[in-house]
Formats: sequence, C-alpha cells, structure tokens
Amino acid sequence: NAGVTQTPKFRVLKTGQSMTLLCAQDMNHEYMYWYRQDPGMGLRLIHYSVGEGTTAKGEVPDGYNVSRLKKQNFLLGLESAAPSQTSVYFCASSYMVLGSYNEQFFGPGTRLTVL
Amino acid sequence: AQKVTQAQTEISVVEKEDVTLDCVYETRDTTYYLFWYKQPPSGELVFLIRRNSFDEQNEISGRYSWNFQKSTSSFNFTITASQVVDSAVYFCALSPNAGGTSYGKLTFGQGTILTVHP
Repeated sequence: NAGVTQTPKFRVLKTGQSMTLLCAQDMNHEYMYWYRQDPGMGLRLIHYSVGEGTTAKGEVPDGYNVSRLKKQNFLLGLESAAPSQTSVYFCASSYMVLGSYNEQFFGPGTRLTVL
Repeated sequence: AQKVTQAQTEISVVEKEDVTLDCVYETRDTTYYLFWYKQPPSGELVFLIRRNSFDEQNEISGRYSWNFQKSTSSFNFTITASQVVDSAVYFCALSPNAGGTSYGKLTFGQGTILTVHP
C-alpha cells in the first residue's frame, strides 16, 4: 500500500497563476482533508470531504477550492495564487469504526512557494 | 470552538535527559479525542497516540508516556532517556465529539520543536 500520496512535492508559482494539488489514497478511506502548515501556527484545516462527491469548508478555506470526484482522490485548487498561500500543504485521510473517527494518515506534503 | 495550546515553542536537551512536552486544550464537547503527532526533519507526520476523553489512564509505550488530566485539560507527553532520533516537531491535536458531525477534523497546537543534542 502506498498510503496517502501527494503530487507534486514542490512547486513555485507566480502571483495570479493557478494550480491543482492532487491527493490520492489507497486505503478506501471515506474522509479526506487538506491542511496547510505555516511556521508557528501548526496545521490548519482548509477543506475536507466526508465522501465521494462531497466537500466542506474548514478553518481557512478562502482562496482554495476542492473536488472529490472519486473516493480515492481529493484535489485542492488555487485559482489565483497569492504570496500568502506560500505554505506546506498536507493531505490526510481517515475512517470510522464503531461510530468513532480514527487517526488521520498524512501524505508527505507539498511545498508551495508563490512569488 | 476548539483550541490547543503548546506553550513550549522550542526545547533543547542533551541525550539521555527526560523531556516533557506540554499540551493544554479547550473544548465544550463532552467527548473528544486527543492526539500526538511527530514531524521529523524529513517532514512527514507520524501518528503517535490517540486518547479518548473517557479514558484518563496514563499510557506508556517504550520510552514514550502520556499523562492525560481532564481536570486541568492537559495531555502531556514525556520522552524518557531522549535520543538524537527524537529530534522533531511534535504536535498535539484535538478532534471534538468523538463521533457525530465532527467528521474527525483536527485542531492542532502550534507545535514544539524538540532538539536532542548528542
């Protein structure tokens, strides 16, 4: 099992450019999440999905869009990148057992720089 | 709203010293989960432990131990006889309302950078 994978690993954008980050998981998990990690702020939830075809906003959703057309994939889009979106982005997936959510499994991260 | 505070931004110890990382949380939920994750210099996030709010027993796993005190809303992490490989950023996190509509969302603390010197 590859677990959670993220593409690309690194990316440099110019202000105003767009891009899509791809997250894929092979564990058949229902729940998927996108976080961003900034120095001194821990990880903050951008968007999440509770199943194929569903998405919802997290703590810091502005400037991002997401889609979950297939259960195993969760895409994060930046329509018009801004320097404030320079960050490390982590995707995670999780599952529920007996009515309780389990730990999240994280991808390796994508380091994005917006100039 | 949930909040997790890790007051120690950075800790530096010498190998074989014991070190405790503090975590204090705020939540209005009566049931919740608490987590610790490790982020080594390579950057990935490694799951260490999940603790149910109903279970206040302390847990030990090798050199790692966790002290959960509901009365003080704390979930502290101790590494005994620290090693250089323990150098990492450690995150405490909270997932409210163990089931239901929380959907497992995590609120993270700011992280504590632990450096263990040889």
